[in-house]
Amino acid sequence: ETGVTQSPTHLIKTRGQQVTLRCSSQSGHNTVSWYQQALGQGPQFIFQYYREEENGRGNFPPRFSGLQFPNYSSELNVNALELDDSALYLCASTEGHSNTEAFFGQGTRLTVV
Amino acid sequence: DQQVKQNSPSLSVQEGRISILNCDYTNSMFDYFLWYKKYPAEGPTFLISISSIKDKNEDGRFTVFLNKSAKHLSLHIVPSQPGDSAVYFCAAIIGGSNYKLTFGKGTLLTVNP
Repeated sequence: ETGVTQSPTHLIKTRGQQVTLRCSSQSGHNTVSWYQQALGQGPQFIFQYYREEENGRGNFPPRFSGLQFPNYSSELNVNALELDDSALYLCASTEGHSNTEAFFGQGTRLTVV
Repeated sequence: DQQVKQNSPSLSVQEGRISILNCDYTNSMFDYFLWYKKYPAEGPTFLISISSIKDKNEDGRFTVFLNKSAKHLSLHIVPSQPGDSAVYFCAAIIGGSNYKLTFGKGTLLTVNP
């Protein structure tokens, strides 16, 4: 059984650029949720994808978007990057859309300069 | 508006003693609570959870207590071990929208040998 994997682990982008982060869900899981963890804060819910459709969204602007593929892997896209987007981005996968049994990846550390 | 609050940024205890981590919440709609542990460079790992219909849940060295009237929960670790040193996050879910975990800011626990 493979766990949740995220790529890349670190990256640096310039303000105004676009970025794509990737997540492979745990084997057997059909739901992926994305969280942003800013320095000194707890993770904040961005959105969830269940069976390739968005199933809920947190308080993030439309320049945060996502996709889920037929194999249940997922992408998080952020357009027009701002300095405040610098954070650890966490992906969590579950079997079904309940997050009571969420398994997290190691995260992608994004730095916007 | 922080709906889940962990007011102690850090806690230091001696090996073998009890660690008590506290969490308060403001949203009375929360009906399921979880604790996650996070080591540096890793994603959060699920530790223990409790439903709002219970006031205690125990799993080995870890016990979570819930006081609904006070909107307060606590995690007890007995006995504490150096390997328990990590950031502990309290999280909550509203049953009707259980796709979204709402996290506190976390408490850094250091267990000294």
